Amino acid sequence: QQPVQSPQAVILREGEDAVINCSSSKALYSVHWYRQKHGEAPVFLMILLKGGEQKGHDKISASFNEKKQQSSLYLTASQLSYSGTYFCGTAGGATNKLIFGTGTLLAVQP
Amino acid sequence: EADIYQTPRYLVIGTGKKITLECSQTMGHDKMYWYQQDPGMELHLIHYSYGVNSTEKGDLSSESTVSRIRTEHFPLTLESARPSHTSQYLCASMAQGAIGNTIYFGEGSWLTVV
Repeated sequence: QQPVQSPQAVILREGEDAVINCSSSKALYSVHWYRQKHGEAPVFLMILLKGGEQKGHDKISASFNEKKQQSSLYLTASQLSYSGTYFCGTAGGATNKLIFGTGTLLAVQP
Repeated sequence: EADIYQTPRYLVIGTGKKITLECSQTMGHDKMYWYQQDPGMELHLIHYSYGVNSTEKGDLSSESTVSRIRTEHFPLTLESARPSHTSQYLCASMAQGAIGNTIYFGEGSWLTVV
C-alpha cells in the first residue's frame, strides 16, 4: 500500500539534474512532495491534484500521471541546499489519509 | 508558517513508564496525524483524526493511543513504554485550501526508552 520511490539514493554534483519517481499500487487522488533535512521535520514542496498536472517551483517541478498511478519530481541544476530525503505522499478518497513513500536520499556535492 | 507544536522534543524514560506526547495547533485544522519515523527511515502513519471525537488507526500497528477532545489538541499516549517504542514521533495537521491540501509538521518528539 505504501508508495514505492526510486531510486533509493542518488548522489549528484552541483548543477546536475535528478528525477525521483513515486509509484502506487492504488488509485491516486493527489500526490504531495516533501523534503526532509537530517534531524528536521519534512517540509512541503508541492501538491498535484489531478492527472497530468505539472507544477514547478524555482528549479524543482513535478508531474502526475493518474493512469499510471505515478508521479515524478524533477530537480534541475541542483544546489547544495537540495540535499535531503524526498518523500512522496499519496492521498485517496475522502479520508485524506496521507501515506508517505519509501523515500529517496539525495546528496548534492560541491 | 504553520503553528503546530510538539512537546517534549526529547524524552528518555524507563521501560514500563506511561508517557504522553503533546501536539497542539492553533490553525483550526480538523485533520491531524501522528507519524512514526526511525532515523533515516520512512514515515509511517500510526493515528489520524478527522475532527473532535474522531480517531482512526493508521497503517502501521502501534500500541499507542490518541484522543481528540479539542480541535487544537491531539495527544499520543503510551501506557507502558518499551525499548521497541524508541523512535521519532511527528505530529501533523492538514490545511484544506483552494489549491489543495497541505500537511504541516511539528518539529517532532524523539523518544528513547531504556
